[in-house]
Amino acid sequence: NAGVIQTPRHKVTGKGQEATLWCEPISGHSAVFWYRQTIVQGLEFLTYFRNQAPIDDSGMPKERFSAQMPNQSHSTLKIQSTQPQDSAVYLCASSWDWGDYAEQFFGPGTRLTVL
Amino acid sequence: QQQVRQSPQSLTVWEGETAILNCSYEDSTFDYFPWYRLFPGESPALLIAIRPVSNKKEDGRFTIFFNKREKKLSLHITDSQPGDSATYFCAASWGRGGSAKLIFGEGTKLTVSS
Repeated sequence: NAGVIQTPRHKVTGKGQEATLWCEPISGHSAVFWYRQTIVQGLEFLTYFRNQAPIDDSGMPKERFSAQMPNQSHSTLKIQSTQPQDSAVYLCASSWDWGDYAEQFFGPGTRLTVL
Repeated sequence: QQQVRQSPQSLTVWEGETAILNCSYEDSTFDYFPWYRLFPGESPALLIAIRPVSNKKEDGRFTIFFNKREKKLSLHITDSQPGDSATYFCAASWGRGGSAKLIFGEGTKLTVSS
């Protein structure tokens, strides 16, 4: 089991460019989460899917951020017109959708730097 | 509004001492509290978790003490080792842990000196 896979590991974009981040959850996991980690805000929830359906996107900046899960093996987070304040480590996590102590397994993250 | 708060922001203890990391929360409907540990350059990983039906959860050198009335919990790391040096995040969620978003605290950076 390779764990949660995220690509790319590092991405540098210019201000105003688009960035697409990819996540491959652990096979068999039905819940996929996106979080963002910054020095200032710490770890913030962005959005999550259950069985590919969007469940909660309350953490997503509405105007430029979007997430999709077209199939059970991958999810994407797209940031349009990137801004310097979008610079962060974007973490994807997955878990089974059952169990009182079901663990969310985190991927290695994508470090996004917006110049 | 920060729903989960941690203190201290950073903590240094000597090898062999007990490190105590504190966490408090706002929403009394939270019903799952995991602690995640983050080593530099790695992904957050679940360390230990508790639900409000219990006031204590132990796993080796790691113990969570939970006070539902005061909405506080703490992580005690006994016999601290240099390898425990990491950032520890307290988190909370509603519903079952596996399918609910986690609300994280700011983290406590622990340094264990030898």
